[in-house]
Amino acid sequence: GIQVEQSPPDLILQEGANSTLRCNFSDSVNNLQWFHQNPWGQLINLFYIPSGTKQNGRLSATTVATERYSLLYISSSQTTDSGVYFCAVERSGGTSYGKLTFGQGTILTVHP
Amino acid sequence: NAGVTQTPKFQVLKTGQSMTLQCAQDMNHEYMSWYRQDPGMGLRLIHYSVGAGITDQGEVPNGYNVSRSTTEDFPLRLLSAAPSQTSVYFCASSSSGSGSWEQYFGPGTRLTVT
Repeated sequence: GIQVEQSPPDLILQEGANSTLRCNFSDSVNNLQWFHQNPWGQLINLFYIPSGTKQNGRLSATTVATERYSLLYISSSQTTDSGVYFCAVERSGGTSYGKLTFGQGTILTVHP
Repeated sequence: NAGVTQTPKFQVLKTGQSMTLQCAQDMNHEYMSWYRQDPGMGLRLIHYSVGAGITDQGEVPNGYNVSRSTTEDFPLRLLSAAPSQTSVYFCASSSSGSGSWEQYFGPGTRLTVT
């Protein structure tokens, strides 16, 4: 199956700092999503971004499909950004879009 | 819209018992999935469905059954619970309606098998 590697595994920031999270994947994909799991366990979809760049407030994401990686940028971090960030992909060639393979996640801790 | 709902939130089972985890969505999504999350790990796909009456296996299907008789509901059945099935279970749904395949997750069910 497709392999998904996220880095760094852990990240500790002071409030206001910027950060970049990386997701590498081993095969071509037709579906790539970034999720945030908050400290209460809820998974929130941040971006659906199989290619290109998107921005939503302080968050932005870029996927370079030809080079098989995606980046999630968090600017001016806040304590509410703490949690685990997951990258999830689906390999190209399939006929459905519900079969995501998740990376191990990046644990982000933002201190006030 | 309630989104994706799951019941129960918590459950403790003894080895060998059976139970059904409920999942429902009110967004008319055609795709629904079940994942499990073990400590320190990402989510792994158990089963998924591309529409009513159509299901298929994911990465870790052993010990679980699913069926989908309606668009809204996608229950997950544990046939004979084992301690290895202790985990947090998430149901998710998605649709191509807007050209975006964003997956929406329920709040999860925390299951302990003793």
